[in-house]
Amino acid sequence: AQSVTQPDIHITVSEGASLELRCNYSYGATPYLFWYVQSPGQGLQLLLKYFSGDTLVQGIKGFEAEFKRSQSSFNLRKPSVHWSDAAEYFCAVAPGGYSTLTFGKGTMLLVSP
Amino acid sequence: DAGVIQSPRHEVTEMGQEVTLRCKPISGHDYLFWYRQTMMRGLELLIYFNNNVPIDDSGMPEDRFSAKMPNASFSTLKIQPSEPRDSAVYFCASRGTLGLYTDTQYFGPGTRLTVL
Repeated sequence: AQSVTQPDIHITVSEGASLELRCNYSYGATPYLFWYVQSPGQGLQLLLKYFSGDTLVQGIKGFEAEFKRSQSSFNLRKPSVHWSDAAEYFCAVAPGGYSTLTFGKGTMLLVSP
Repeated sequence: DAGVIQSPRHEVTEMGQEVTLRCKPISGHDYLFWYRQTMMRGLELLIYFNNNVPIDDSGMPEDRFSAKMPNASFSTLKIQPSEPRDSAVYFCASRGTLGLYTDTQYFGPGTRLTVL
């Protein structure tokens, strides 16, 4: 079965600094990969997804992620963090032709002034 | 489109009571998912439907939990009887299918359930 590891439970970044959230997955073949964001009291919103093709994926709100097959990773990046980016971020994986998602435990992003 | 709609947004009940959570998926979506989110276990898939038919309910924790989808625009998740350990946020999500490429899962705002 597939699994997802987000090694950082909390990350604090200064406003304007760059951000990288880590995600590693375990799956036998190339899975479908996703990043979702959850603001307090809200549901999950899709930031970006990777199905195939270019390994650098652009998403909403200025986020991007890079799929690295050799490292089984799909890290999320943003060059300059805004206070409104403070939220919890979830990486998710699904087998190709997917039916269901398996989520990581999430990384809480705190943005300091 | 209004997105995935869940009701109620908050539910407080006493142990032993029946709880019914409701979900209206996005029109045209043929997959519907129920998730539970807790601090300890994160996001867990409870059950999902395709074309109103339950496909996988292996995540349903106990027989106290049941889910139905009587039509394409409505689903319920019922807990009877409820217990304090059922306290969590329950999310409904829906998804369409676009030929060879499958669509994004869209999540509702969740129902925060507290069982006293």
